[in-house]
Amino acid sequence: DIVMSQSPLSLPVTPGEPASISCKSSQSLRHRDAYNYLDWYVQKPGKSPQLLIYLGSTRASGVPDRFSGSGSGTDFTLKISRVEAEDVGIYFCMQALQTPRTFGQGTKVEI
Amino acid sequence: QVQLEQSGPALVNPSQTLSVTCAISGDSVSSLTSGWNWIRQSPSRGLEWLGRTYYRSKWNNDFALSKSRMSINSDTSKNQVSLHLTSVTPEDTAVYYCARGVTAPSGTYWYGMDVWGQGTTVTVSS
Repeated sequence: DIVMSQSPLSLPVTPGEPASISCKSSQSLRHRDAYNYLDWYVQKPGKSPQLLIYLGSTRASGVPDRFSGSGSGTDFTLKISRVEAEDVGIYFCMQALQTPRTFGQGTKVEI
Repeated sequence: QVQLEQSGPALVNPSQTLSVTCAISGDSVSSLTSGWNWIRQSPSRGLEWLGRTYYRSKWNNDFALSKSRMSINSDTSKNQVSLHLTSVTPEDTAVYYCARGVTAPSGTYWYGMDVWGQGTTVTVSS
């Protein structure tokens, strides 16, 4: 199974400031179609996870453009350009290259 | 608008079978671009993908747990999928989610798990 590792696990943020989360995989997530099969999800307090980014860098429908995903192979980053209070939650990366899908441990973003 | 409505018992006795149902609206369980995933979440194990079912000329299943313990059933007449986990122990206590995964019709390209159910909290205890 592909092992996903996130850092940091806890991220205090200041509204208006940028924030960044790292996700590393134990093997390359680059598919033969050249896309990286890496998703980002956020779980807001008391809610189900929701999709933010797929294929490493494509924002899901309705996701604000202050969120961006980058990286390739085994190293990926989620960036929030200017944190807002509503961004509080736990952020997860997940590899979608193969089954079983596997998630990172989660990064708790709090103000 | 696609919605997933989950139902199932909150308490299951050890050694019994845990069953959670996910009713789909706004999409078809046999859609050629959707797959129906089961994920659980617990403080000790975080988010854990359990398995999925999807239809591509025939029904296909992938499982993370032992096949002997887990099954996923699809009901086209009710447009729903169900997770069944047998011989449960307290370690199976978790919040269980169903989620739609979307691919291109060819089966490649991936659009993420874009719709999630509300979650079903299941406790295994006598």
